[in-house]
Amino acid sequence: SQTIHQWPATLVQPVGSPLSLECTVEGTSNPNLYWYRQAAGRGLQLLFYSVGIGQISSEVPQNLSASRPQDRQFILSSKKLLLSDSGFYLCAWSVRVGNYGYTFGSGTRLTVV
Amino acid sequence: DQQVKQNSPSLSVQEGRISILNCDYTNSMFDYFLWYKKYPAEGPTFLISISSIKDKNEDGRFTVFLNKSAKHLSLHIVPSQPGDSAVYFCAASDGTPLVFGKGTRLSVIA
Repeated sequence: SQTIHQWPATLVQPVGSPLSLECTVEGTSNPNLYWYRQAAGRGLQLLFYSVGIGQISSEVPQNLSASRPQDRQFILSSKKLLLSDSGFYLCAWSVRVGNYGYTFGSGTRLTVV
Repeated sequence: DQQVKQNSPSLSVQEGRISILNCDYTNSMFDYFLWYKKYPAEGPTFLISISSIKDKNEDGRFTVFLNKSAKHLSLHIVPSQPGDSAVYFCAASDGTPLVFGKGTRLSVIA
């Protein structure tokens, strides 16, 4: 069966520090991968998605970047965190990009102080 | 511009009664709709979906209704149970990545 792992669960980082969140999927090949963010008072906002190694689509211009160095690994990064980067970050995977349900990881609560 | 709207931030329902969660969308190209349930500090979990070729889909206590002309869908939970207390997200797709609403917090009161 397929599983998705996301870590860390909680992170408190100072403004201006770097960020690296990792997500891995097991039990499937060539998954479509996604990073969403849930900020206070807002819904789930799509940040990045990837349909293959090295292929990244950015949905929202911001202080973050994503990379997919391996088929089942998706990394969310920032060189310098802002206060506005605080939120709940969710990784997800799916067999197809559209018209298909996504399976989400357990999320990372990021607080920038 | 919000393409998927959940206009009720919260809803309280008594245990055993029906919960109705609503969702409106603006993109007429959306042809697949889903509902997710989310507990605090956890990722959302898939509940039920519906294709635009249908107007109703049922799975146990959960039923989703789709009204394409009104660009409206709803999730009915009957009977509501305390364990249903969570945030419910509506999502839609036109073949591109899922677009989510802001969510509705459902509280089922025993």
